[in-house]
Amino acid sequence: AQSVTQLDSQVPVFEEAPVELRCNYSSSVSVYLFWYVQYPNQGLQLLLKYLSGSTLVESINGFEAEFNKSQTSFHLRKPSVHISDTAEYFCAVSPDRADGNTGKLIFGQGTTLQVKP
Amino acid sequence: NAGVTQTPKFRILKIGQSMTLQCTQDMNHNYMYWYRQDPGMGLKLIYYSVGAGITDKGEVPNGYNVSRSTTEDFPLRLELAAPSQTSVYFCASSYFPGQRTHGYTFGSGTRLTVV
Repeated sequence: AQSVTQLDSQVPVFEEAPVELRCNYSSSVSVYLFWYVQYPNQGLQLLLKYLSGSTLVESINGFEAEFNKSQTSFHLRKPSVHISDTAEYFCAVSPDRADGNTGKLIFGQGTTLQVKP
Repeated sequence: NAGVTQTPKFRILKIGQSMTLQCTQDMNHNYMYWYRQDPGMGLKLIYYSVGAGITDKGEVPNGYNVSRSTTEDFPLRLELAAPSQTSVYFCASSYFPGQRTHGYTFGSGTRLTVV
């Protein structure tokens, strides 16, 4: 069975500083990997995803994540954060199966990123 | 282009009451999901559907039921509300897994309190 562990429940950081949100997964099959962001009192929005190909994926607002198969990790990074990045971030995994793929996502517990001025 | 619409946004139920959480999407997605979100627990899958007429249990299905009579609608039914069902409920939909467009579109959620 798949599982996802987000290693930090809260990450406080000052504005314009770099940040890394850590995500490790366990799976016996190859996987798709996702990061979602949830702003206060809103639903989740897809931030970025790894399906195949290049192991480094980027979002339109400056976040990036690197799929590391040997370490089973998919850490999220941003070189310089803004106040507006304050939100909860969820890492998720979906097994990659050729048949019967239901698209079910297993979510981590979430990491609250708090950007301070 | 509404995406995924959930109603109601908030609801307070008394123990033992029933209700239906509505979810509809206008993106012609075959795959739809119901999750519940509890603080510090991430999201847990309740039920999912891979197409009209096909539903299956997720990780935490007890106390809930679903139906999928059309591609657009995927309502979640609570038959006998219990305090343990106090949570925020999210509906999501998706294209076929593995396609370049794969990735959930979430609704804005229903905050349910059972007292």
